[in-house]
Amino acid sequence: DTEVTQTPKHLVMGMTNKKSLKCEQHMGHRAMYWYKQKAKKPPELMFVYSYEKLSINESVPSRFSPECPNSSLLNLHLHALQPEDSALYLCASSQSHREGASGELFFGEGSRLTVL
Amino acid sequence: AQSVAQPEDQVNVAEGNPLTVKCTYSVSGNPYLFWYVQYPNRGLQFLLKYITGDNLVKGSYGFEAEFNKSQTSFHLKKPSALVSDSALYFCAVSVWSNTGKLIFGQGTTLQVKP
Repeated sequence: DTEVTQTPKHLVMGMTNKKSLKCEQHMGHRAMYWYKQKAKKPPELMFVYSYEKLSINESVPSRFSPECPNSSLLNLHLHALQPEDSALYLCASSQSHREGASGELFFGEGSRLTVL
Repeated sequence: AQSVAQPEDQVNVAEGNPLTVKCTYSVSGNPYLFWYVQYPNRGLQFLLKYITGDNLVKGSYGFEAEFNKSQTSFHLKKPSALVSDSALYFCAVSVWSNTGKLIFGQGTTLQVKP
């Protein structure tokens, strides 16, 4: 059982829709991550939040907007997506961002997004 | 630049036989090495890590990995494969002096046949 919870598990949206993905962890971790994963490919880092501040943005298009309301929650707001954005979106957490280098990431089960 | 290579897209083994999933890395500085497993339609699960110390690292589900500095390798092993081990395996590396970003290999699909 994962201790990182992501909702929804599946999401279908049109290119003009606005939707959000949500992630929650209660392990007291201070770093949270969004990854994008295409089928049978490695996860690609999108954003890192460290102590609720955006630490890394891997040049992600502005149609993806992250938000970290508190240390337990991480959102990814989606607007005007393209069909090529269809993927599995994974949330992860670690004790801290610096320790993410030596500490493992805990991943959620992912939100599978389909953009029509 | 840091990189990780998993030279095999797929590894096939018979149940009960030993398995090896290969990983080599290239980093400047001391590497932190990880193995993750992903079952179909699931997130990634941490298996084991090497930070420092003994070169043989034991992890979850009977897996182990051997760090070899001279060969810059971190191969995943298990003495006796189970059908339930069939999954996608990712090797990953990070460097303390870096931003802490994990670099993943391309992944290796392990197929264990009864």
